[in-house]
Amino acid sequence: DAGVIQSPRHEVTEMGQEVTLRCKPISGHNSLFWYRQTMMRGLELLIYFNNNVPIDDSGMPEDRFSAKMPNASFSTLKIQPSEPRDSAVYFCASSPGTPQPQHFGDGTRLSIL
Amino acid sequence: GNSVTQMEGPVTLSEEAFLTINCTYTATGYPSLFWYVQYPGEGLQLLLKATKADDKGSNKGFEATYRKETTSFHLEKGSVQVSDSAVYFCALRDSGAGSYQLTFGKGTKLSVIP
Repeated sequence: DAGVIQSPRHEVTEMGQEVTLRCKPISGHNSLFWYRQTMMRGLELLIYFNNNVPIDDSGMPEDRFSAKMPNASFSTLKIQPSEPRDSAVYFCASSPGTPQPQHFGDGTRLSIL
Repeated sequence: GNSVTQMEGPVTLSEEAFLTINCTYTATGYPSLFWYVQYPGEGLQLLLKATKADDKGSNKGFEATYRKETTSFHLEKGSVQVSDSAVYFCALRDSGAGSYQLTFGKGTKLSVIP
């Protein structure tokens, strides 16, 4: 079975550029989560969707970050404009309706120069 | 605030050895507790969970018991295999309504040698 699929796996871009991260959850999972992982802060929840609706976006650091889930099989996390402090590994995760993630994707390693 | 403290790794064991990875927590109220595992090159996946005191979560031979009196949720396995080599994360979630944020420990790397 396909797991949570994220793209790209790696992204290197210059500050000020727009960055879009993509996620395809496991089929049938109706909860989707975006996490950010850094050495300093560990894993942090950015936003949680249930049935495509954002339930908790209190972890989104600032207005430069936005997330959408237009349908049950696709979500994006966008950073515009990007800054060097946004450099981190971004994980998407999904679960079958439970409010905690069951499976994480392999992550997108983002470097902002 | 909430916090999770795990034993620092790396932990190296021989195959068939007994495993314990310690996890203690600080939280208000009665959190739910989780163990996640991250195999090399993969994302995290939920290994087991417990939602109230004295509950025992179990999966794939791993067990952890929610101990409220000692605020602990130690992970154990009686006989580890090379395929158990991974990073293990302890985590908690507040029990309050609208609590979705998971607080993770820093992870403990386990290496099992033949």
